[in-house]
Amino acid sequence: AQKVTQAQTEISVVEKEDVTLDCVYETRDTTYYLFWYKQPPSGELVFLIRRNSFDEQNEISGRYSWNFQKSTSSFNFTITASQVVDSAVYFCALTPRDRGSTLGRLYFGRGTQLTVWP
Amino acid sequence: DVKVTQSSRYLVKRTGEKVFLECVQDMDHENMFWYRQDPGLGLRLIYFSYDVKMKEKGDIPEGYSVSREKKERFSLILESASTNQTSMYLCASSKGQGRSGANVLTFGAGSRLTVL
Repeated sequence: AQKVTQAQTEISVVEKEDVTLDCVYETRDTTYYLFWYKQPPSGELVFLIRRNSFDEQNEISGRYSWNFQKSTSSFNFTITASQVVDSAVYFCALTPRDRGSTLGRLYFGRGTQLTVWP
Repeated sequence: DVKVTQSSRYLVKRTGEKVFLECVQDMDHENMFWYRQDPGLGLRLIYFSYDVKMKEKGDIPEGYSVSREKKERFSLILESASTNQTSMYLCASSKGQGRSGANVLTFGAGSRLTVL
C-alpha cells in the first residue's frame, strides 16, 4: 500500500521567516518517485520537484530546498526567506515504480496550507 | 505553452442531472487522470487512462464513469449527480512510461461543481 502523510494542515509565518513542510511516506516498493506540487489560490497545481528513490542528495533551487531521507521515509520541503507569493497549498506525492505497481499514478498527501503574512 | 484545459471552471447542476466534465491536453500525453479535491481530504483519484479507450478505476470510482475516445480528450461523467459529488475536479496528464519526464503530472485549472 502507498501512503503519504502531511501532518501539518496549516502553517502561518511572517515574511522572511524560513518554513519547513513535512512529508512522510509509506511504500513497499524499492523504486519510487517523490514529488512536491504547489497549488496557489488560482487552483492549478504546479509541479515543483521530482526525486528518485535512489537519489538521496538534497536539492536546492533558489529559496526552495528539499531534504530526502530514506531512513526516516521523509521528503521535507523548506522555503527560505518566505514571501507572500509563497502562500499556497503544498502537496507531497509518491508514485511506485516496482514491477506490478500501478505505474504512472500519484498518491497524494492531504496538503499543507501555507500562509505568509506581510 | 503546453496545457491541460478543462472546459468548465464553474458548474451548478441539480440532483439527478447527468454531468459531463471535459478535459483536453495538447502535449501528446499517453496518461490522463481525474482527481477530486475536497478540503481536508487532499486529492483522490477517481479514474485514469493509459491509452485511448482504456480506463482504470482509482480509489473512488463509484458514481462516476469516464470516456477516452481520442488521445487528447478524457471526459468524466456523473450519470446522476448527487449533492455529495459537490467538489473540485482536477484533470491531469503525463507522458507514458519510458519517456523522458514520465510520471510528472500536468494539471488543469480545475472544475468546481456544485450539485443542488
